[in-house]
Amino acid sequence: DQQVKQNSPSLSVQEGRISILNCDYTNSMFDYFLWYKKYPAEGPTFLISISSIKDKNEDGRFTVFLNKSAKHLSLHIVPSQPGDSAVYFCAAPRGNTGKLIFGQGTTLQVKP
Amino acid sequence: KAGVTQTPRYLIKTRGQQVTLSCSPISGHRSVSWYQQTPGQGLQFLFEYFSETQRNKGNFPGRFSGRQFSNSRSEMNVSTLELGDSALYLCASSLEHRSTDTQYFGPGTRLTVL
Repeated sequence: DQQVKQNSPSLSVQEGRISILNCDYTNSMFDYFLWYKKYPAEGPTFLISISSIKDKNEDGRFTVFLNKSAKHLSLHIVPSQPGDSAVYFCAAPRGNTGKLIFGQGTTLQVKP
Repeated sequence: KAGVTQTPRYLIKTRGQQVTLSCSPISGHRSVSWYQQTPGQGLQFLFEYFSETQRNKGNFPGRFSGRQFSNSRSEMNVSTLELGDSALYLCASSLEHRSTDTQYFGPGTRLTVL
């Protein structure tokens, strides 16, 4: 059972435009969410997180929105830069543990 | 502050052998988790250690084991290697054992089983 889903395997945007990456979850007990960026042959790099008591968290060019009723979160990158090209994973901890459940990832390509 | 380090970065083994991977967490972090990444299964949780105790375990066979030392460093061991064990093995550390403690990942160990 895939409890965290990223239904878009890939996304291509023009440099300077907004990138929107989406993530859905099925477990209503999830109360904390994280986004990671991953380059090939490297470990994931933490980007931004959001607690379920908030509906928005912003850090520089990165903003995460959480819609609990829809069990949906999204990561907005504005403006997108070629260096943002990577695979993006959303993840949620299961229960009060360190076990992260990851989505399948979305490959973002930002074209110059 | 130094990040999470993993050794070795690359390993080539043959079927039936065993392998030990090492992870040094960020200084001050007491929780270490291990993940396996494969093209078909994505990122899958292996186990989590905190205060030298395994706190959680994923759905992997008993051939996969681990431990944590008093300095929070961790090792994972895979015995009787199979071709399907070829993967990127990632270690992540966090301050404590809480779900809201952000996990920071190391660069991974790329294991190839021939």
